[in-house]
Amino acid sequence: DTGVSQDPRHKITKRGQNVTFRCDPISEHNRLYWYRQTLGQGPEFLTYFQNEAQLEKSRLLSDRFSAERPKGSFSTLEIQRTEQGDSAMYLCASSLPTMRDRYRGNTEAFFGQGTRLTVV
Amino acid sequence: KNQVEQSPQSLIILEGKNCTLQCNYTVSPFSNLRWYKQDTGRGPVSLTIMTFSENTKSNGRYTATLDADTKQSSLHITASQLSDSASYICVVSASYSSYKLIFGSGTRLLVRP
Repeated sequence: DTGVSQDPRHKITKRGQNVTFRCDPISEHNRLYWYRQTLGQGPEFLTYFQNEAQLEKSRLLSDRFSAERPKGSFSTLEIQRTEQGDSAMYLCASSLPTMRDRYRGNTEAFFGQGTRLTVV
Repeated sequence: KNQVEQSPQSLIILEGKNCTLQCNYTVSPFSNLRWYKQDTGRGPVSLTIMTFSENTKSNGRYTATLDADTKQSSLHITASQLSDSASYICVVSASYSSYKLIFGSGTRLLVRP
């Protein structure tokens, strides 16, 4: 499978615990995104990497959240001191824009299956 | 505020029938608009992507239209199948941050036999 891979698929944790999710993008994709999706809503942007550089973070990403992409390949999203409000689906996506795509802003993003987090 | 609104919120149709989903957006300046299909518990899968210069784009039984003047888009599904049951999400990106996708809440479609 050469698509975007996320691990784990499901995570149940007690409130106050730390959790870490992993995303492996499509090989050679230089852009990587994290989104959060709650039930009945569309995904909301969390953060964006171009290679290893984290170029933008949403205000949704509180100081308990940290994302890394150390070698410009896989990425991790860590949530410290989890709260019940953190329960959601965390989606990772990647893209590799061509020169024309960059000009047009046509960056096709491919999503992983997501990690479903439940904080109890 | 950049927003994407979709209607209806949910829809039930019989297998074999056609349906049309609507999307209105206020994102400006506009870069492109996409339609994604999302099965329950899975990540979104791209159906179509259109820039401001494109009025229509088809992908099999899915046809998307775009009116950049009125900031409206529609997704038409013909000869629906049971496997079409999913959420259909309209997604818009702005020119100044084309990597940041702004998602609608989706239309939940149920196709019944």
